[in-house]
Amino acid sequence: SAVISQKPSRDICQRGTSLTIQCQVDSQVTMMFWYRQQPGQSLTLIATANQGSEATYESGFVIDKFPISRPNLTFSTLTVSNMSPEDSSIYLCSVASGRAVGEQFFGPGTRLTVL
Amino acid sequence: RKEVEQDPGPFNVPEGATVAFNCTYSNSASQSFFWYRQDCRKEPKLLMSVYSSGNEDGRFTAQLNRASQYISLLIRDSKLSDSATYLCVVRMNYGGSQGNLIFGKGTKLSVKP
Repeated sequence: SAVISQKPSRDICQRGTSLTIQCQVDSQVTMMFWYRQQPGQSLTLIATANQGSEATYESGFVIDKFPISRPNLTFSTLTVSNMSPEDSSIYLCSVASGRAVGEQFFGPGTRLTVL
Repeated sequence: RKEVEQDPGPFNVPEGATVAFNCTYSNSASQSFFWYRQDCRKEPKLLMSVYSSGNEDGRFTAQLNRASQYISLLIRDSKLSDSATYLCVVRMNYGGSQGNLIFGKGTKLSVKP
C-alpha cells in the first residue's frame, strides 16, 4: 500500500489568511484526490489532481478558493484561500491503490481550525 | 435526499455480538460499492468491496440489493478492535477510472467488554 504523509498535521489560522497543505506519496501515482471532512459530515471530494494538467473540481468547489498544484507524480498541494471559520475541517489527500477500482489510500489528514 | 444515507448510531454492543449496518443510496447509476472503516481521528481505510452476489471476509459479510438500492454490512463475533466508524461508499460512473466516490456520514460502532 502507498504511504502518504501530509503537512501540517494541524493548524489554527486567522480568518482571511491562506494555508497550503502538502501531500507526499512514497510512489508515483497518476491521480491524487483532495477531500474535506467537516465535523459530523461525510468526506466530500474537492478536486482530482493530475500531473501536468489543471485540477478537476467538484461542484461547489472553485480554483480561486482551493488552488491545487501537482508538480510531479509524488507530490501535491492544496491551498485554502481567504479562510473563514466555515473552512474549519479535516483535509485529506488520497491516491488510487491501483489494485482495485474504488480503493483509495488516504493520508493522515490536516486538521484546520479557522478563528 | 442525501446520496448515501446511513444510520449514524452509535451502536453499542458487547463483545461477541453480531451487528448489522445498513446503507441506502439514491443514484441508481451507482456502479460500485464499498465499506470503509475510520478509526477515531484517523484516515479512512478500505474494509471491503461489495459485490452483487454478496461477499464474505472472515467475520464480515457485505450484501448489495440493487433493486432496493441498499447495502449492508454484518459483523459477527464482534471484537473490541472493531470499534470504529463504518463508512458506506458508492462509486459513480464518471470522473475517470476511479469514478467519484460518494461517502456516507458513517455509522459508529462501539464494542464493549
